[in-house]
Amino acid sequence: RKEVEQDPGPFNVPEGATVAFNCTYSNSASQSFFWYRQDCRKEPKLLMSVYSSGNEDGRFTAQLNRASQYISLLIRDSKLSDSATYLCVVNVRNKLVFGAGTILRVKS
Amino acid sequence: DTGVSQNPRHKITKRGQNVTFRCDPISEHNRLYWYRQTLGQGPEFLTYFQNEAQLEKSRLLSDRFSAERPKGSFSTLEIQRTEQGDSAMYLCASSQDRASTDTQYFGPGTRLTVL
Repeated sequence: RKEVEQDPGPFNVPEGATVAFNCTYSNSASQSFFWYRQDCRKEPKLLMSVYSSGNEDGRFTAQLNRASQYISLLIRDSKLSDSATYLCVVNVRNKLVFGAGTILRVKS
Repeated sequence: DTGVSQNPRHKITKRGQNVTFRCDPISEHNRLYWYRQTLGQGPEFLTYFQNEAQLEKSRLLSDRFSAERPKGSFSTLEIQRTEQGDSAMYLCASSQDRASTDTQYFGPGTRLTVL
């Protein structure tokens, strides 16, 4: 079993749609949590940190449930430019552990 | 540009050759990490440094791999006797060692192809 599991997708959605990604992690020693975005053949870039209280950054909302070891990302009003791979990431003793990523394709 | 930089961006080599990659972290960051990413997978941790000390190495880092950060600034990753299975994107990241933030910022990566 992988330490961080995500649905690989792809999620094909029209512009303006709301889309939700989920991820589960298995290591209870995970200290901090993130969503990174990765465009094709580029490096991962931090999208947002994830907190138990939930946090929002514009059209993006992230949520952490430590009891269930579950992380989510909600994207509202999808744009063409949101098309990318979204990586669920946990920090375990200073090492980032990545899921394999969820592919999002936003179509006009 | 004050981000993480990596050189070269692309490297094609023949099996059995040695290769070396360089990473320059964000200047005030004292932690530096190496990851490897293969197609369709997320990056996997290889090793990390705090200043010049190498604090942890993954079991993925075989004895053909060696990483250094001699002055606590830039780092090098050397792969000896490359194999086709070493073909991957090698990513470097850096962060500050602060309780308030542990965000890692990635460089553009070095894409290695072993023929």
